[in-house]
Amino acid sequence: DAEITQSPRHKITETGRQVTLACHQTWNHNNMFWYRQDLGHGLRLIHYSYGVQDTNKGEVSDGYSVSRSNTEDLPLTLESAASSQTSVYFCASSTDGTYRTFFGQGTRLTVV
Amino acid sequence: QKEVEQNSGPLSVPEGAIASLNCTYSDRGSQSFFWYRQYSGKSPELIMSIYSNGDKEDGRFTAQLNKASQYVSLLIRDSQPSDSATYLCAGSDSGGGADGLTFGKGTHLIIQP
Repeated sequence: DAEITQSPRHKITETGRQVTLACHQTWNHNNMFWYRQDLGHGLRLIHYSYGVQDTNKGEVSDGYSVSRSNTEDLPLTLESAASSQTSVYFCASSTDGTYRTFFGQGTRLTVV
Repeated sequence: QKEVEQNSGPLSVPEGAIASLNCTYSDRGSQSFFWYRQYSGKSPELIMSIYSNGDKEDGRFTAQLNKASQYVSLLIRDSQPSDSATYLCAGSDSGGGADGLTFGKGTHLIIQP
């Protein structure tokens, strides 16, 4: 079955370190997204991509970057991790047209 | 600033009854709306999508959309304990959803056996 997978599922890192979260989907969806979910804020969009070589900033993009070298992958990089970036991160992808969006299992990131 | 508003709950409903979840949105240009179910510690799971005014039914779920009132709702018939979860309402921008979705903070639903 087609799916979207994230790795790692859990990560603890230190303040100031660079961290990359992986996302891989096998649906061949053009649209991919990264969200973070925090208590009191709900899901907020970090970055999104319409396709290969395309990336766009979302609502809370400061301190994050993404790259899209192929259809399947959209890695999220935290350039210099901060405690405020402790969160649960969800990768998602959506179909063209209907934009039904499907989520990966999530990555719980703790910055100490 | 686009906003999607939901009552955080908890909403407590007896088993077998109808659970009614509501959502309002601020962006009149929003085209597409979605309901997700999220169990504690899990990822959001898409349960309904709706794009035009009126009702859309899928099994025990009915989504309702009123664009004039900027209102979306989800009805769950014959509620089961397994329906206990947080329900997230999400709306697109005028492009339909390619730019991502705006989510409400969710309504915590409890089905009482």
